[in-house]
Amino acid sequence: DTGVSQDPRHKITKRGQNVTFRCDPISEHNRLYWYRQTLGQGPEFLTYFQNEAQLEKSRLLSDRFSAERPKGSFSTLEIQRTEQGDSAMYLCASSLGLAGFTGELFFGEGSRLTVL
Amino acid sequence: AQTVTQSQPEMSVQEAETVTLSCTYDTSENNYYLFWYKQPPSRQMILVIRQEAYKQQNATENRFSVNFQKAAKSFSLKISDSQLGDTAMYFCAFMKHNNDMRFGAGTRLTVKP
Repeated sequence: DTGVSQDPRHKITKRGQNVTFRCDPISEHNRLYWYRQTLGQGPEFLTYFQNEAQLEKSRLLSDRFSAERPKGSFSTLEIQRTEQGDSAMYLCASSLGLAGFTGELFFGEGSRLTVL
Repeated sequence: AQTVTQSQPEMSVQEAETVTLSCTYDTSENNYYLFWYKQPPSRQMILVIRQEAYKQQNATENRFSVNFQKAAKSFSLKISDSQLGDTAMYFCAFMKHNNDMRFGAGTRLTVKP
């Protein structure tokens, strides 16, 4: 296992288009997190999953954002009708939860979104 | 809601010297974790050090150590014998037990030769 992988690494789109990002966590990790990071800022929490259940969503996650983790493995983050303010790095992280909880998150390299 | 504050947007240190990065947090919880993560330029975030709130002893990892003051809600990171590879953004983070993680705005550390 090579760690958390994210795809695509960079996406350029026009305002109004839909985009989807994929995250493949470390295989034995049951927790999966999505964060958004703008230049020079810390990651902002968007949502997280325990297996396939979405346990929490940030108020930052507007109705245009949806995340899924259908089989408790990979996850997708979709942004509909993109706006220029959506331009950011979208980070995925995974961890062990519940009995295996240590608190440490393992991050992917991120998917950079540029909305023109 | 938990908040994490890093009051030093940028810091610099000479190679081989010691530097301390500050972090304060606000919570009403008693059971939580604190972290320092490092994000090198154009590279992914990696964990530097972790502290469980119930442990009074400060965590140490090689050249990295923390000063955890629970009553003051302060969690500073000390980097000893700074190396050029320590140049990165450093984020302080808070996590309630088995919950999500919240980050500060970060401190950009530059190690000068």
